[in-house]
Amino acid sequence: DAGITQSPRYKITETGRQVTLMCHQTWSHSYMFWYRQDLGHGLRLIYYSAAADITDKGEVPDGYVVSRSKTENFPLTLESATRSQTSVYFCASSDGGIGSYGYTFGSGTRLTVV
Amino acid sequence: QQQVKQSPQSLIVQKGGISIINCAYENTAFDYFPWYQQFPGKGPALLIAIRPDVSEKKEGRFTISFNKSAKQFSLHIMDSQPGDSATYFCAASIRTYKYIFGTGTRLKVLA
Repeated sequence: DAGITQSPRYKITETGRQVTLMCHQTWSHSYMFWYRQDLGHGLRLIYYSAAADITDKGEVPDGYVVSRSKTENFPLTLESATRSQTSVYFCASSDGGIGSYGYTFGSGTRLTVV
Repeated sequence: QQQVKQSPQSLIVQKGGISIINCAYENTAFDYFPWYQQFPGKGPALLIAIRPDVSEKKEGRFTISFNKSAKQFSLHIMDSQPGDSATYFCAASIRTYKYIFGTGTRLKVLA
């Protein structure tokens, strides 16, 4: 199926465990992004990538690691999960061009850290 | 300077009324201002967007008004419907990537 898919949709993990959230897009968009959504804070950028092997920090990168070995995949890893990382995580992609249709978001992963 | 301030946090409107959501920004380098609509359990979806060379853009019942000198822009939903009940996010960016989002407005349209 064309589009952007995130997995898993829901995840419960324990404090201190490593967890990886997956994001896959089929458009060959150059740009990919990870946001977290929390009540009162809206959408905050964690990391983004302009192309394969190029990543950069966003507003709230601490405690997260990303990689982008292939254009279509952009996994987000919480190295040692903390309760403050309980959130809904959204992946997005964009071709970034002047005539771009902007971001397309995935359906999100709801992560609970207990 | 990178913030986008959005208000109100929540809004209740009667069916058929006008919903107005406001956003303000500081960085004059921003050149793309989209609005996203999000339904519960879904990711945000692009609703309408404007560039600073125009003062207004209309798509159906949705209109963006843009005031470059005041560094403000707003979303107007005319003839609001219960199906418009959702969370709305404004955003700003330089070119069309790396958006800075507002904190969101939860809109409820009463039948």
